[in-house]
Amino acid sequence: QKEVEQNSGPLSVPEGAIASLNCTYSDRGSQSFFWYRQYSGKSPELIMFIYSNGDKEDGRFTAQLNKASQYVSLLIRDSQPSDSATYLCAVSKAGTALIFGKGTTLSVSS
Amino acid sequence: DGGITQSPKYLFRKEGQNVTLSCEQNLNHDAMYWYRQDPGQGLRLIYYSQIVNDFQKGDIAEGYSVSREKKESFPLTVTSAQKNPTAFYLCASSLGRNTEAFFGQGTRLTVV
Repeated sequence: QKEVEQNSGPLSVPEGAIASLNCTYSDRGSQSFFWYRQYSGKSPELIMFIYSNGDKEDGRFTAQLNKASQYVSLLIRDSQPSDSATYLCAVSKAGTALIFGKGTTLSVSS
Repeated sequence: DGGITQSPKYLFRKEGQNVTLSCEQNLNHDAMYWYRQDPGQGLRLIYYSQIVNDFQKGDIAEGYSVSREKKESFPLTVTSAQKNPTAFYLCASSLGRNTEAFFGQGTRLTVV
């Protein structure tokens, strides 16, 4: 079982819709959870991080964490064409580096 | 400007040649990381360092070497033992355990 799993997509949504990106992880000792956005040919940029169960909102983005189900998600409200990118989920635990999933490609059509 | 600087942006290596990728940060971060990304793939961990003069192997360390003599610098050497080095190499840093990592702009290495 891979440590961090994401559907590769592509996930296609119309402009203005909600995009829902999902990620599961295998290590129950994972403590920190991150979402990065990566445009083609560029380096990843941090969107959000979450440490505790529940929801965390930042503008149009909401991260959701459920440690019991080992599941973390990212919701993007009012999706824009500029949100079209690959979204990488990453997890870490004490003393280790971030472990990344392979990413989900999001396409927002205008 | 605080940030992470990788150089060069593009690098070409001949077969059997060692090359060194530079990574410098002025964020006063303790931890630094090297990842490799192949087309359509996620990031795979090569090496990471939590403190100066200490580093650990990641999942794909074979054919690579690193040093951490200064807090600000974490260079990666791609040796001739790495048989398929063509990839996008990303350096990152973070304050420490379990904190978010920030990335440099990457170095694209091609074997010619």
